Amino acid sequence: AQSVTQPDIHITVSEGASLELRCNYSYGATPYLFWYVQSPGQGLQLLLKYFSGDTLVQGIKGFEAEFKRSQSSFNLRKPSVHWSDAAEYFCAVVDDKLIFGTGTRLQVFP
Amino acid sequence: ETGVTQTPRHLVMGMTNKKSLKCEQHLGHNAMYWYKQSAKKPLELMFVYNFKEQTENNSVPSRFSPECPNSSHLFLHLHTLQPEDSALYLCASSQEDVGTNEKLFFGSGTQLSVL
Repeated sequence: AQSVTQPDIHITVSEGASLELRCNYSYGATPYLFWYVQSPGQGLQLLLKYFSGDTLVQGIKGFEAEFKRSQSSFNLRKPSVHWSDAAEYFCAVVDDKLIFGTGTRLQVFP
Repeated sequence: ETGVTQTPRHLVMGMTNKKSLKCEQHLGHNAMYWYKQSAKKPLELMFVYNFKEQTENNSVPSRFSPECPNSSHLFLHLHTLQPEDSALYLCASSQEDVGTNEKLFFGSGTQLSVL
């Protein structure tokens, strides 16, 4: 069965620091990959997605992610974190349905 | 505002109660979903409706009963729930079934507590 692993449950960074959230997937063919963000008390919002083509994908709010087939990874990055980025981040892969990871909670210190 | 509205935002119910969660989308989408979000667990897909027809029931107990009267509305009827059913229930919609890799739009969820 396809799966998604987010190794980091909780990450804390200082405002202005760079960020990388890890995501590893298990999928036989070329995966369709997503990153969603969930702010407190809210539903999930799509940040970016990868289907094919350029392996570096740009998303909303200054986020980007890079698909690396050799590492089965789709890590999310942001060069400079803002306090408003504090939220929970979910990586997901499409099989015949959307499969989510367990999420990474991001805390941002001023 | 994502275009997907869920009511109520919070719900507390006893194990013998009957209640319903409501979801409405104003996006003209054809597929709607119920997800369960529990602490420290991945989001669990419960049900999928595509063009008002149920296309996925992910081994959900019968105490959860979905209803999709039209493409814009989705309900989740609850009865004789257990405390372990306490969770955030998220509704989502997409233009078509996610099997076509469509983007999902989520509501803010209903935080359910079963006493």
